[in-house]
Amino acid sequence: EIVLTQSPATLSVSPGEGANLSCRASQTIGSTYLAWYQQKPGQAPRLILYGASARATGIPARFSGSGSGTDFTLSIRSLQSEDFATYYCQQYYSWPRTFGQGTKLEI
Amino acid sequence: QVQLVQSGAEVKKPGASVKVSCKASGYTFTNYEIHWVRQATGQGLEWMGWVSPNSGNAGYAPKFQGRVTMARNISISTVYMQLSSLGFEDTAVYYCARKGVRGVPLDYWGQGTLVTVSS
Repeated sequence: EIVLTQSPATLSVSPGEGANLSCRASQTIGSTYLAWYQQKPGQAPRLILYGASARATGIPARFSGSGSGTDFTLSIRSLQSEDFATYYCQQYYSWPRTFGQGTKLEI
Repeated sequence: QVQLVQSGAEVKKPGASVKVSCKASGYTFTNYEIHWVRQATGQGLEWMGWVSPNSGNAGYAPKFQGRVTMARNISISTVYMQLSSLGFEDTAVYYCARKGVRGVPLDYWGQGTLVTVSS
């Protein structure tokens, strides 16, 4: 199974700043089978990006994604208060589908 | 609007089974796979498997193979996830999620069902 390693585990930033979250796969997953989800306490996850860089419906343009192969990045510019949450990457290239362990974005 | 509404919280004893339901509305039920993901308290997301509401075909993560069954009832637009031989480590929130089309992964999620395994 493909192991996804996210870094850092926790990222402390201030509103208005930018953030880069990393997701590294144990083997290549191409360029179109990587998704990012946002989860706030007590809520279900929410799809943010798919295909490594495509924004899901209703996701603002300050969220962007890049990468291919084994290294992927979620970038958030000009952080808003509602962006502070835990972010998970997921690969849907091979079975079983797997998630990274998450990066908590905190103030 | 698309909605996935899950059944309520459950408390089970070790060794028992639990069956969680996920009722879909707002879209054509048979056109989209449903996946199940669980999350232990304070932990990350763990993918469990999927079921096709159209065919009934299902696939499971190796970790759960032999212990999980995912099925559907088309007449009531509902998918089920049954997990047997429960252990304390199965205490978690269980989510159903719809897999989108054209390369979109899990685009809509249920609200989650807390399953507590306690003696």
